[in-house]
Amino acid sequence: QSALTQPASVSGSPGQSITISCTGTSSDVADYNYVAWYQQHPGKAPKLMIYEVSNRPSGVSNRFSGSKSGNTASLTISGLQAEDEADYYCSSYTISSTLYVFGTGTKVTVL
Amino acid sequence: QVQLQQSGPGLVKPSQTLSLTCAIPGDSVSSAWNWIRQSPSRGLEWLGRTYYNSRWYSDYALSVKSRITINLDTSKNQFSLQLNSMTPEDTAVYYCARGFLRAGVDYWGQGTLVTVSS
Repeated sequence: QSALTQPASVSGSPGQSITISCTGTSSDVADYNYVAWYQQHPGKAPKLMIYEVSNRPSGVSNRFSGSKSGNTASLTISGLQAEDEADYYCSSYTISSTLYVFGTGTKVTVL
Repeated sequence: QVQLQQSGPGLVKPSQTLSLTCAIPGDSVSSAWNWIRQSPSRGLEWLGRTYYNSRWYSDYALSVKSRITINLDTSKNQFSLQLNSMTPEDTAVYYCARGFLRAGVDYWGQGTLVTVSS
């Protein structure tokens, strides 16, 4: 099972919006609405930001939103803030016996 | 806020078995309990999980299926990872995580850096 494809890096200025893409296949992203997004600061465990494509867990800012079209999922961060600088990973449930696949990760830099 | 507390060694010799445990809150039957690892070379990699649905089930990633065991001890409120025949390629940060049946994981443990070296 191959990793989902994400851009290596995305950057933006404070207050701007950025979008991170996550491209999979018909075996994962395209076929299931079980895409999740995680934020990871250096030396810390990942934190769930979005689940089931577009749902935010309690406590996550509404500046974070998720969507999906075909085999590509997207995470949008609006009103970019310095604290949003981190690595972001997508994941998807898959048809294979390896139930979950993660993305390659995107480093978000706030300029 | 769900707290997961990991414990276990940070150094394992090649060919030996890695054993990690993760202390969980009560009500273990309502969630799936996962192990995930992260390394620079392999990124984030889901290893396996255990969950309850009338009885306990386990699912494992193909890449480690022949040498992994995940168990949950309800009396101790903890679940464990055993990974046999460790090689330097298994060097990674290992995380335990609570999750859903299909929607991924929500809460993660603090992570344990495991180095495989003689």
